Amino acid sequence: DVKVTQSSRYLVKRTGEKVFLECVQDMDHENMFWYRQDPGLGLRLIYFSYDVKMKEKGDIPEGYSVSREKKERFSLILESASTNQTSMYLCASSFIGVVDEQFFGPGTRLTVL
Amino acid sequence: GENVEQHPSTLSVQEGDSAVIKCTYSDSASNYFPWYKQELGKGPQLIIDIRSNVGEKKDQRIAVTLNKTAKHFSLHITETQPEDSAVYFCAASYLGGGADGLTFGKGTHLIIQP
Repeated sequence: DVKVTQSSRYLVKRTGEKVFLECVQDMDHENMFWYRQDPGLGLRLIYFSYDVKMKEKGDIPEGYSVSREKKERFSLILESASTNQTSMYLCASSFIGVVDEQFFGPGTRLTVL
Repeated sequence: GENVEQHPSTLSVQEGDSAVIKCTYSDSASNYFPWYKQELGKGPQLIIDIRSNVGEKKDQRIAVTLNKTAKHFSLHITETQPEDSAVYFCAASYLGGGADGLTFGKGTHLIIQP
């Protein structure tokens, strides 16, 4: 079974802190994605990566950065957390190719106080 | 960019009845339309998808239809069961090689009444 794991299920941080959200996949997928999920807004793409050290902005990249030093790991970084970044963060991965199913992790619920 | 509208936001049906969720998309270049199911406390999971060269696809009790001209697609669940209760998301994407982020609808909370 494909497994996408995220470092924390719940995280509480203070405004201004630097926050790292980690995601690891075990299926040798080329693509990895970070989404945020908010009630009434669905899932919105923050950043994605199609290869090590490669990154592309999604629909809402402001206030976030990412790092992909190894194929299996994709990190989301909040340089200076703000209260409007309180949300559920979902990581996903997929193969490059004809089949484009994305496999999601369980999510990290981040609260910024 | 792509914009996906999804309706309704909440749908309550009696167990055994059918449920239909509808989505529209804006970018005529989109050619891949998956549906994801999210159960409480879990990440979304793909349940069915359709590509633009197909008008309908069925997998047991679920089916998806696509109207490219009107730019809308729908999820149909027949003989609904309690385990169908979840949030369902439609999405659209262009499969052109490389990474393709999905544009999701806002979700439909499906409630199956016993």
